[in-house]
Amino acid sequence: DAKTTQPTSMDCAEGRAANLPCNHSTISGNEYVYWYRQIHSQGPQYIIHGLKNNETNEMASLIITEDRKSSTLILPHATLRDTAVYYCIVRVFQGAQKLVFGQGTRLTINP
Amino acid sequence: NAGVTQTPKFQVLKTGQSMTLQCAQDMNHNSMYWYRQDPGMGLRLIYYSASEGTTDKGEVPNGYNVSRLNKREFSLRLESAAPSQTSVYFCASTDGSSGANVLTFGAGSRLTVL
Repeated sequence: DAKTTQPTSMDCAEGRAANLPCNHSTISGNEYVYWYRQIHSQGPQYIIHGLKNNETNEMASLIITEDRKSSTLILPHATLRDTAVYYCIVRVFQGAQKLVFGQGTRLTINP
Repeated sequence: NAGVTQTPKFQVLKTGQSMTLQCAQDMNHNSMYWYRQDPGMGLRLIYYSASEGTTDKGEVPNGYNVSRLNKREFSLRLESAAPSQTSVYFCASTDGSSGANVLTFGAGSRLTVL
């Protein structure tokens, strides 16, 4: 799997959009970008994934650059409950493989 | 629909003792994973099983053994526990053959080795 690079930590005001960047410059053509988050000590939770087009679901939006070397996860109206560690990983869509998580970004939403 | 169930949730061991962490999923997933997470750190892959009957090493396999007992169950064994293995252990599963291939995680097993 391609390696990813994320900022160690970020802050965002409650009610504002939180934009979390991820670099994946060595991503392969068949690899998707997945985002997970981990709230406190719970197990990580899936947020969203995409290949090349922008994606949106009830939790977030995912913007992938045209060259696919980076992406941004957007939480449109951050709440205090969005305080968590956010992980960006890249992987092929199907088939099992070794899945390596990086350090992630610790996002703190401030009141 | 329980998803991924890990037992025990908490365990305290003495150095040198052995124990097995159990993981079971009810989603008919093919692939299962064991991760550990130390305080303030990200997840590190210990072992994974791409399908029933296969297991492979991850980033930090030393000191651990695994068994894919059947499609539902994937256990992690510490033969001789060491303080360095104090951590929170997460099991995860995914269907590697179809769908969105999303990982589903268990709630974690917190292990302390004295």
